[in-house]
Amino acid sequence: QAGLTQPPSMSKGLRQTATLTCTGNINNIDNRGAAWLQQHQGHPPKLLSYRNNDRPSGISERFSASRSGNTASLTITGLQPEDEADYYCSAWDNSLSAVVFGGGTKLNVL
Amino acid sequence: EVQLVESGGGLVQPGGSLRLSCAAFGFRFDDYAMHWVRQVPGKGLEWVSGINWNSGSIGYADSLKGRFTISRDNAKNSLFLQMNSLRPEDTALYYCGKDNSGYYKNGDLDSWGQGTLVTVSS
Repeated sequence: QAGLTQPPSMSKGLRQTATLTCTGNINNIDNRGAAWLQQHQGHPPKLLSYRNNDRPSGISERFSASRSGNTASLTITGLQPEDEADYYCSAWDNSLSAVVFGGGTKLNVL
Repeated sequence: EVQLVESGGGLVQPGGSLRLSCAAFGFRFDDYAMHWVRQVPGKGLEWVSGINWNSGSIGYADSLKGRFTISRDNAKNSLFLQMNSLRPEDTALYYCGKDNSGYYKNGDLDSWGQGTLVTVSS
């Protein structure tokens, strides 16, 4: 089933700022917002931001989420080596009656 | 601290069945909806199924309807996934996830287990 669209990869330097994007449609992001997850190789995903853009307890303020229409964004400031990971967006899709995920963006921190 | 522990994965032949379990610790299990999400190693995440806090509403990915059944036992703080008529394309790491509300259509998975690997092969 159709999901959300994310760029497959991004490379940024240490201490730089990365902005990851996630594009959906009126049935998912535009309607309900998107959550963001971080996944390091060999580990389960970890929630970075709820659909309402709030951060769970313990998540660094360097991670901030926003939304404009059907596009959600995750901004990571002051990039650190440990930020190198796969980042996924997710949302509830009213049309599909399913949780949909983006294909993930692999963030490389140079 | 929330902890989710999956079990029940393994090697199964095409057409076979498996029952996955997820034991939940550290939160009031019967307040929250739960999900199963799978991931082929090296690939992205795919939602499998979700269930409300009281089992009153259940949903499945369209591609899986009729073969997989989600259930929960609130008295035992456990979530289950019965998988029948398994196919090689069902091979994946299966994660149990907690929603941050009692309704799976909320779709905010705020805690994840380590996953259990299901391999479907002859």
